Amino acid sequence: QKEVEQNSGPLSVPEGAIASLNCTYSDRGSQSFFWYRQYSGKSPELIMFIYSNGDKEDGRFTAQLNKASQYVSLLIRDSQPSDSATYLCAVGNTGGFKTIFGAGTRLFVKA
Amino acid sequence: DVKVTQSSRYLVKRTGEKVFLECVQDMDHENMFWYRQDPGLGLRLIYFSYDVKMKEKGDIPEGYSVSREKKERFSLILESASTNQTSMYLCASSFGRGGNYEQYFGPGTRLTVT
Repeated sequence: QKEVEQNSGPLSVPEGAIASLNCTYSDRGSQSFFWYRQYSGKSPELIMFIYSNGDKEDGRFTAQLNKASQYVSLLIRDSQPSDSATYLCAVGNTGGFKTIFGAGTRLFVKA
Repeated sequence: DVKVTQSSRYLVKRTGEKVFLECVQDMDHENMFWYRQDPGLGLRLIYFSYDVKMKEKGDIPEGYSVSREKKERFSLILESASTNQTSMYLCASSFGRGGNYEQYFGPGTRLTVT
């Protein structure tokens, strides 16, 4: 079992819709969770981080964390074509120095 | 804004050459990381460093070494480049020790070994 799992996609949504990206992780003691966006040919950039159970909102983005289910998600409201990218879920592992990255979900927003 | 820079965006080297990739961050971050990214395999950690002159192996250290002589600079060395080291190399830094801090990435170096 991979430590951080994401559906590779592509996930295709129409412009203006809500895009829902999901991620599961295996280390129950994980404490920090990140979402990065990576445009084709570019490096990852941080969108959001979340540490506590529940929702965290930032503009059109909402991160949701459920530690009991070991599940973290990213919702993108009012999706725009400029949101088309690969979204990486990352988890800070227990007691270590490493952040574990998922392989990413490709999102296409159709105009 | 945090700025992480890498010495080259594109690099072409021949098999057997020694290759140096440099990374510099300007935010006094303690942690620095080197990853490679390949299609379908995601980001894989090569080495990381949590302090000057300190280094720790990541998941795929074979064929690589690193150097951190100054806090802001972290170098990745390919001792004898091979074609299977053709990849995108990403440097990142983070504030504080541990994997629970957000990472800031440089623009990446696309290395081709022929």
